[in-house]
Amino acid sequence: NFMLTQPHSVSESPGKTVTISCTRSSGSIASNYVQWYQQRPGSSPTTVIYEDNQRPSGVPDRFSGSIDSSSNSASLTISGLKTEDEADYYCQSYDSSNVYVFGTGTKVTVL
Amino acid sequence: EVQLVQSGAEVKKPGESLKISCKGSGYSFTSYWIGWVRQMPGKGLEWMGIIYPGDSDTRYSPSFQGQVTISADKSISTAYLQWSSLKASDTAMYYCVRRYYDILTGYYPYYFDYWGQGTLVTVSS
Repeated sequence: NFMLTQPHSVSESPGKTVTISCTRSSGSIASNYVQWYQQRPGSSPTTVIYEDNQRPSGVPDRFSGSIDSSSNSASLTISGLKTEDEADYYCQSYDSSNVYVFGTGTKVTVL
Repeated sequence: EVQLVQSGAEVKKPGESLKISCKGSGYSFTSYWIGWVRQMPGKGLEWMGIIYPGDSDTRYSPSFQGQVTISADKSISTAYLQWSSLKASDTAMYYCVRRYYDILTGYYPYYFDYWGQGTLVTVSS
């Protein structure tokens, strides 16, 4: 099966933009949709992006997703950073056998 | 309102058995896949397996195949995760998750739209 690798941590100041990458180890990133989940400390994860770039209702448009076939990676971009965005973020994809894979997770710190 | 309500925290000894539960409400339980996700202390999310309560079709992550059993009782809208012999390394938070289903189109995207509150399992002698 494949793995999804994320940077361990990123940090930025309030109001700035941060981008988290998610690199697929084998197979094309474009072959299966990528989702992103936010997990605040002590809470269950919630979806912020599904199917590469779709936002569930209630998620602010400061959150956006994309994929880049040249680097075989997906990205989550958070613009206009707020202190409430401080959390762990996980990408997730799957294969044709209904096997789901989570990324390694990235801790976002708002300085 | 859709809810996944999990059973309470457990403290067990190595070698003991355990079954934790996840009760779905506010939607048609038999129409949505329910999965389980492990999060070890201070670590990331790991997908364990998933079940379709409508017909009990079950899939496991290769990492968890043979280590746990996933089941469901559709009569009471409840999914289960069980161990026959716990190890200290099973100490973790376990979340149940619902796979999204577009009821209008019959489309099953591969993501989780609802999560339970988590069940903390501690295995210690």
